Amino acid sequence: DAGVIQSPRHEVTEMGQEVTLRCKPISGHDYLFWYRQTMMRGLELLIYFNNNVPIDDSGMPEDRFSAKMPNASFSTLKIQPSEPRDSAVYFCASKSVWGVEETQYFGPGTRLLVL
Amino acid sequence: AQSVTQPDIHITVSEGASLELRCNYSYGATPYLFWYVQSPGQGLQLLLKYFSGDTLVQGIKGFEAEFKRSQSSFNLRKPSVHWSDAAEYFCAVGARGTSGSRLTFGEGTQLTVNP
Repeated sequence: DAGVIQSPRHEVTEMGQEVTLRCKPISGHDYLFWYRQTMMRGLELLIYFNNNVPIDDSGMPEDRFSAKMPNASFSTLKIQPSEPRDSAVYFCASKSVWGVEETQYFGPGTRLLVL
Repeated sequence: AQSVTQPDIHITVSEGASLELRCNYSYGATPYLFWYVQSPGQGLQLLLKYFSGDTLVQGIKGFEAEFKRSQSSFNLRKPSVHWSDAAEYFCAVGARGTSGSRLTFGEGTQLTVNP
């Protein structure tokens, strides 16, 4: 398996622009997680899905952030409008509840810089 | 709520020396415990995990960790460090029986390896 795939790997945008981050989980995994990593706050869980349904979005910072999972193989995290404080590395992770390990597998991340 | 503390923000060791990274967790029952490693510009890679059974778990790259319930600790060890081990290491705790096994990460320990 190719692992969790994220795109783009790097994104530079200007304040006020819309940003869309994409994630393809490992095939067969039924949980998908979005994390944000910053120097100040470390790794934070933003939202996670089970069988394409959002389960817990309590980590989403504010209404400017939204996430969708239209099918089992694709999810997006959108920021509209973007602000400089959104600059961070955004990770997507997936796991299978049927796996013995209950282990989350992480993608390579998207480095976002908002100018 | 679960929490994780990694007391050491930064550790420097010489190549060939032994290594121990500390991790303390807070959780009301026996948790799932993980160690992940993040190399610069990369995603998180799972080193090892503890779910049950033998409290000494072996992972990849020669790492091991020991779960000590009495101390609420899950310290990571390696007998002889290689220069390629320089990276950031994250301890994480997951709650049993919780749908999605939400992970809580520590703040990370940055490892520098001197030649």
